[in-house]
Amino acid sequence: DGGITQSPKYLFRKEGQNVTLSCEQNLNHDAMYWYRQDPGQGLRLIYYSQIVNDFQKGDIAEGYSVSREKKESFPLTVTSAQKNPTAFYLCASRGQGHTGELFFGEGSRLTVL
Amino acid sequence: GQQLNQSPQSMFIQEGEDVSMNCTSSSIFNTWLWYKQDPGEGPVLLIALYKAGELTSNGRLTAQFGITRKDSFLNISASIPSDVGIYFCAGPTPYNNNDMRFGAGTRLTVKP
Repeated sequence: DGGITQSPKYLFRKEGQNVTLSCEQNLNHDAMYWYRQDPGQGLRLIYYSQIVNDFQKGDIAEGYSVSREKKESFPLTVTSAQKNPTAFYLCASRGQGHTGELFFGEGSRLTVL
Repeated sequence: GQQLNQSPQSMFIQEGEDVSMNCTSSSIFNTWLWYKQDPGEGPVLLIALYKAGELTSNGRLTAQFGITRKDSFLNISASIPSDVGIYFCAGPTPYNNNDMRFGAGTRLTVKP
């Protein structure tokens, strides 16, 4: 089945450690996105990528890094520089055309102990 | 970044009641999207609007693209318990079609 897969679903990390969240899609979509969700704050854009080997910062990119070496993969690294990393992270992809629909993964919940 | 202001922040209604929520922006949007998020899941698209004044329905859901292109509303008629969740408005910024922004969401609770 076509879709977008995030892993792991739950992750615990100690302060000072980097952690990488995986996002894979088999929808042949060009654009991929990472959002952060905190209670009561909706979805805030961290990074997005319109094409392989290219990515753009969103509103809250500080303390995060991404790569886009393959069309189907857009991993997000939460670095130790991110001051408040505990959150729900959502990855999405979007195909060509004007429909604008983002297809979301099921999310990864990161808790820093 | 571009701000999408969504209201109300939360709603508590009785099963069977109608619901209305809206989204406004200081900038013109060319597309308005409405998503629903169930607990612990990613959002799912409900309705997409592409033209000012457009009114679109999806079952008990109806959404409109405001004539000024700076607002949109979503109505849910005859609510049922499975309508519970967070509803988001969203859209690509006017300057970059790939830069997708979301409102803060309306959390809906339906009491049986």
